[in-house]
Amino acid sequence: AQSVAQPEDQVNVAEGNPLTVKCTYSVSGNPYLFWYVQYPNRGLQFLLKYITGDNLVKGSYGFEAEFNKSQTSFHLKKPSALVSDSALYFCAVRDIRNSGAGSYQLTFGKGTKLSVIP
Amino acid sequence: NAGVTQTPKFRVLKTGQSMTLLCAQDMNHEYMYWYRQDPGMGLRLIHYSVGEGTTAKGEVPDGYNVSRLKKQNFLLGLESAAPSQTSVYFCASSYSEFSGVTGELFFGEGSRLTVL
Repeated sequence: AQSVAQPEDQVNVAEGNPLTVKCTYSVSGNPYLFWYVQYPNRGLQFLLKYITGDNLVKGSYGFEAEFNKSQTSFHLKKPSALVSDSALYFCAVRDIRNSGAGSYQLTFGKGTKLSVIP
Repeated sequence: NAGVTQTPKFRVLKTGQSMTLLCAQDMNHEYMYWYRQDPGMGLRLIHYSVGEGTTAKGEVPDGYNVSRLKKQNFLLGLESAAPSQTSVYFCASSYSEFSGVTGELFFGEGSRLTVL
């Protein structure tokens, strides 16, 4: 079974400060990891993914995430937050050993609401 | 290139009524999915399809049916709506794993359904 946890329902950060949105995961094998962002009344948009290789992954809009296998974490980060980054952020995981029909089923976290304060 | 389009965007139903949500994608994706999003519960997979003519159950399939008669369309049906089905429904699509692309899901903008 695979699962993902986002321990914070909400994160508040001042504009210009660094931000971190936390994610931990559980899979039997090795993970594929994703971050998505949802702006109000919109669908989810892909931000970045970790498949293999470098533990630091860079994505859209200046976001990056660090894969830490020993801590089973995949925290989302940005060096300097913008008010426009305020949104709902979802972490998702898939066990790479899953294959065949439905292998693209992702398990999503419950989401973290990021509020960037001007 | 529209991506993933869902219709309708809003709908109010009475308990026991039926309806169909339509999802259309123009990216030639093999896989398609229906999720529901509820406050504090994230996204939960209802049904999915790995190709034209095939469907499978996800995490919360009860009370829903789906069909994929054409590759680009994935329909979600509620035969007898219940208040517990009040939610925001998202359709998504993706490449298959056999495409060599370990890729992301592409989401529609959602359909907000209220069952009274």
